[in-house]
Amino acid sequence: KQEVTQIPAALSVPEGENLVLNCSFTDSAIYNLQWFRQDPGKGLTSLLLIQSSQREQTSGRLNASLDKSSGRSTLYIAASQPGDSATYLCASGGGSSNTGKLIFGQGTTLQVKP
Amino acid sequence: EAGVTQSPTHLIKTRGQQATLRCSPISGHTSVYWYQQALGLGLQFLLWYDEGEERNRGNFPPRFSGRQFPNYSSELNVNALELEDSALYLCASSLAFGGVNEKLFFGSGTQLSVL
Repeated sequence: KQEVTQIPAALSVPEGENLVLNCSFTDSAIYNLQWFRQDPGKGLTSLLLIQSSQREQTSGRLNASLDKSSGRSTLYIAASQPGDSATYLCASGGGSSNTGKLIFGQGTTLQVKP
Repeated sequence: EAGVTQSPTHLIKTRGQQATLRCSPISGHTSVYWYQQALGLGLQFLLWYDEGEERNRGNFPPRFSGRQFPNYSSELNVNALELEDSALYLCASSLAFGGVNEKLFFGSGTQLSVL
């Protein structure tokens, strides 16, 4: 059974700092690993999707990496801004067959202080 | 282009009643997913519909059910509501069945409160 864990649960940093959010998963048989952002009381916004054959994806100040052998993914945020404050969720997709199901971690709540 | 829309935004029911939640996917998307986000439990997969068919369901009792209409919109029904059903219910859509690397686009959710 796939389990997804995110550490730390919460993080507070000053504006401008580079930071790394961690995600680990127990079953390496995944189709993809996705990172989402959730603002309070809102839905999720897809940030990056890394296919199982890929090692990393980049979008603007965000870079996500995937290491299936170690069961880890990281989300790197460069030059953090107060507008980056949100909860970041990682989710593993797939498995031995396409179930249409994502397994989510509990999230890391990020606060970027001006 | 309109995103995924969900209605109502908030829903208050009493224990034992039925709740109906609605979702309209992004135009052109045929797959619709439902997730429950309860306090302390994180996001849990509920249901997946594609082309009007239920493709998969999560570990939820049968009183959670739904359907997908010919226009790909979807409805989630929760019967015999219990206090622990209080949660944010999120709907997502994606382009195609079998497209495992299609991104999911989420709506803003329906906050269901059971009193």
